[in-house]
Amino acid sequence: SQKIEQNSEALNIQEGKTATLTCNYTNYSPAYLQWYRQDPGRGPVFLLLIRENEKEKRKERLKVTFDTTLKQSLFHITASQPADSATYLCALDLRDDKIIFGKGTRLHILP
Amino acid sequence: DTGVSQDPRHKITKRGQNVTFRCDPISEHNRLYWYRQTLGQGPEFLTYFQNEAQLEKSRLLSDRFSAERPKGSFSTLEIQRTEQGDSAMYLCASSLDASLATDEQFFGPGTRLTVL
Repeated sequence: SQKIEQNSEALNIQEGKTATLTCNYTNYSPAYLQWYRQDPGRGPVFLLLIRENEKEKRKERLKVTFDTTLKQSLFHITASQPADSATYLCALDLRDDKIIFGKGTRLHILP
Repeated sequence: DTGVSQDPRHKITKRGQNVTFRCDPISEHNRLYWYRQTLGQGPEFLTYFQNEAQLEKSRLLSDRFSAERPKGSFSTLEIQRTEQGDSAMYLCASSLDASLATDEQFFGPGTRLTVL
C-alpha cells in the first residue's frame, strides 16, 4: 500500500541546535517533494521544493535532502529558534498533478 | 497572508443542513485545490480545478459534496445533508500552473466546520 510517514508526532529540540525531520514514503514515485510549515489554526505555508534529480536544496537556515533510492527526505533547520516551533508537513507531488501530504511532525524549540 | 481567502472562517451547523464555502484564489493562478484536514492529520486531497474544469475528485468526496469554479476564478464547495463526520478544516489552495514544473501551492486560512 502507499504510505507517507513522518518521524514521531512531536520533536523537542533545544534552541540553537539543528532540528532534523524525516519523511519516508513507499510505493510512490514522486516527481518532486515539498515541505510546508503549518501553525495552529492556519493553512500550510510552502517552504521548499526539491525535484527527483536534485540531492539537496537550501534556503537560509533550511536544508532539504531527497534520496529516491531510500525513498526518504530529510528536512533540517539549523540554529533553531523558538519561532520555528510549528508542524512541518512533507508532501509528495505525484505525476498526476495531485499532492499527497504526510501527517506532519510537531516541532518544539525549547528556549 | 498568502493572497488566498476563504469565507466563512468558521461555520457551525446542525446535522442534516447544507453548507457552502467559498474560496478566492490568487487572481492569476489557474489551479485551485480543495483539501480537508482533521486534527493530527495532514491535508487530504478532495478535488482540483484547472481553470473552470474539475479534473479530479477523490474517493473521499461522496455524492453529498460538490464543487464548482464557474468562471475559473473563485470556487465553492457545498456539502449537503451534513454529518458529524464532516467536521473538519476545509482548506483551499491555488497554484500558478503545473506545466511550469513547480506546483507550489498557496493555502488559504481554511474554513472550520463543526457539525452538531
